[in-house]
Amino acid sequence: AQTVTQSQPEMSVQEAETVTLSCTYDTSESDYYLFWYKQPPSRQMILVIRQEAYKQQNATENRFSVNFQKAAKSFSLKISDSQLGDAAMYFCAYRRAQGGSEKLVFGKGTKLTVNP
Amino acid sequence: SQTIHQWPATLVQPVGSPLSLECTVEGTSNPNLYWYRQAAGRGLQLLFYSVGIGQISSEVPQNLSASRPQDRQFILSSKKLLLSDSGFYLCAWSVGSSGYTQYFGPGTRLTVL
Repeated sequence: AQTVTQSQPEMSVQEAETVTLSCTYDTSESDYYLFWYKQPPSRQMILVIRQEAYKQQNATENRFSVNFQKAAKSFSLKISDSQLGDAAMYFCAYRRAQGGSEKLVFGKGTKLTVNP
Repeated sequence: SQTIHQWPATLVQPVGSPLSLECTVEGTSNPNLYWYRQAAGRGLQLLFYSVGIGQISSEVPQNLSASRPQDRQFILSSKKLLLSDSGFYLCAWSVGSSGYTQYFGPGTRLTVL
């Protein structure tokens, strides 16, 4: 079974600085998707970024970028120019590519604190 | 644009009482729909998913059930709640045109006393 591990239960960063959140996963599949979701205090899960495993280029969305290392099964999230609104729980998630109804497998999350 | 609604937002129920949580999606047709539960301090666990009206797949055996009476409506139910049913329930949708990326609703916080 696929598993997702986030080894950092909590992280903190100064406003305007850069922080990297770690994620590793275990799978025997060659085709899959990886995601980072943000869960602010409102608790709604918000998609931050998505990476297709077949793409070598790392995904970026404004201040958010990933470092996808397929051989190492590593998928870290870098947040640049951190803002107070970035404070939230961040979840890494995995989904097999076969079939549109495939479930997301989540890590346990990393709580990010942004200090002013 | 697509939107997803869940209600109620918060619910406090006694043990043994019934449950009905509703999720509706607007702005898309024939979405895949999902129910997840998030226990305190944990990630999300998939409970049910549906690829069409009346088609429900269960991931975890438990006293909960799901139904999809309409294309964009997904209901989570229980006949008798247990203390262990407390948690945060999230509904999500996906469609092929967005690569089946799952988008989540605002959630329902359920407390069983």
